[in-house]
Parts: sequence; C-alpha cells; structure tokens
Amino acid sequence: GAGVSQTPSNKVTEKGKYVELRCDPISGHTALYWYRQSLGQGPEFLIYFQGTGAADDSGLPNDRFFAVRPEGSVSTLKIQRTERGDSAVYLCASSPLGGSRESTGELFFGEGSRLTVL
Amino acid sequence: AQSVSQHNHHVILSEAASLELGCNYSYGGTVNLFWYVQYPGQHLQLLLKYFSGDPLVKGIKGFEAEFIKSKFSFNLRKPSVQWSDTAEYFCAVNDFGNEKLTFGTGTRLTIIP
Repeated sequence: GAGVSQTPSNKVTEKGKYVELRCDPISGHTALYWYRQSLGQGPEFLIYFQGTGAADDSGLPNDRFFAVRPEGSVSTLKIQRTERGDSAVYLCASSPLGGSRESTGELFFGEGSRLTVL
Repeated sequence: AQSVSQHNHHVILSEAASLELGCNYSYGGTVNLFWYVQYPGQHLQLLLKYFSGDPLVKGIKGFEAEFIKSKFSFNLRKPSVQWSDTAEYFCAVNDFGNEKLTFGTGTRLTIIP
C-alpha cells in the first residue's frame, strides 16, 4: 500500500543555495502538513494545506520558506538562500479529512527528507 | 501558544517492566491529545488519541493513556513492555478546531531483553 512519499530522502547543500523538497501524500487525502524536526526536538509545525490552499502557514519561520500544492495532491516545500540553521528533517503528513467534523485527527507521516546545509 | 512537556528524555527498562511516560500540556481549553511512536528506521505513527468521552483510552500494542484535565496531563502507560517497544514516543496536542499539532520533545524508550 502506498504511504506518504518524500523525496529526496537526503539532501546536502551549501549555504545560500535553493532547495526543493517534495511530498506525495496518500491518494485521496485532502489535508497535507509540513513539519520540521531538529535534532533532539519534536516535530514543529510549518504549514497546513486543505486542498490546494494553505489554510495555516503560521509556522513558516520566515519568507525564505514557501510551500505549494497546485493540484491538491503533491506538495513542494521551497527554501531559498538556505542557512545552516535550516538543517533538519522535514516531515510531510497527510490526513483524509483534516479540518472536517469527520476528521480522525490522525496524521500519516512520511519518512522525511533530511536536509543538511554546509 | 500551546506547549507540551515530556519530562522523561530517555527511559531504560527491562522486558516485562511497567511503563509510564509523562506528558503535560499548557493550554486549558478544549484539546485533542495524541501519542505518536517512531520505531527505529520507521516513520511516525499514531499510537492512540483522545478527543472526548472516557478519559482512559486504549491504543495499539497494549498501550493506554489517561487524560486528567485538572492536571493538564495525558500520560502513556503499558503494564508490561517488550523489547519491540524500543522506540521514540511523542506526545502531541491540538486545540479543538485547530489543525496545528504541537509536539513534545519526545522520550526515547530502550527496552533491555
């Protein structure tokens, strides 16, 4: 069965470079979430999509971070002018009815994309 | 803003020992509570959740958690752990109607055979 797929699994880049991280959610899941997990910490919320629109982007740390989900399925997290502090595991999750009254609240996570900025 | 505290950073137990992992959250409104688990080399997955009703909730693999509203707590328990329970455990909370989950820093559980 297909779970949440994230690519690349590992990305090493140099400070100042641009990075894209991709998330392919479980088919049919309308809600998609990005989290960031730094070493020794729990996942930290970045952004939540309901369909194509960003319903809550309050967790994006600054304007270097941007995410899109143009067709309501695959999402891309974009980081401009990367900094060493951006190094972390970026987690994507999806859920079938996020935000709806029928929502179970369960998020299905991918295995993450580990970003290292040198 | 909501915050979650997990006071046990690393717990080491022998097989068959009883387990209790602490979780406290900060905001006193209506909340949904979760425990997620990450086994070595695997992705995060839901262990159990509380939305409403009976404050004692049962999850997979014999785990349970009790919601105590007066203490803002949602501790995870298991009467007898197994080696396969070795994993990292995360408590999480969201305010009712808010999709944003706030996670604790996690507790690493090591079970010695």
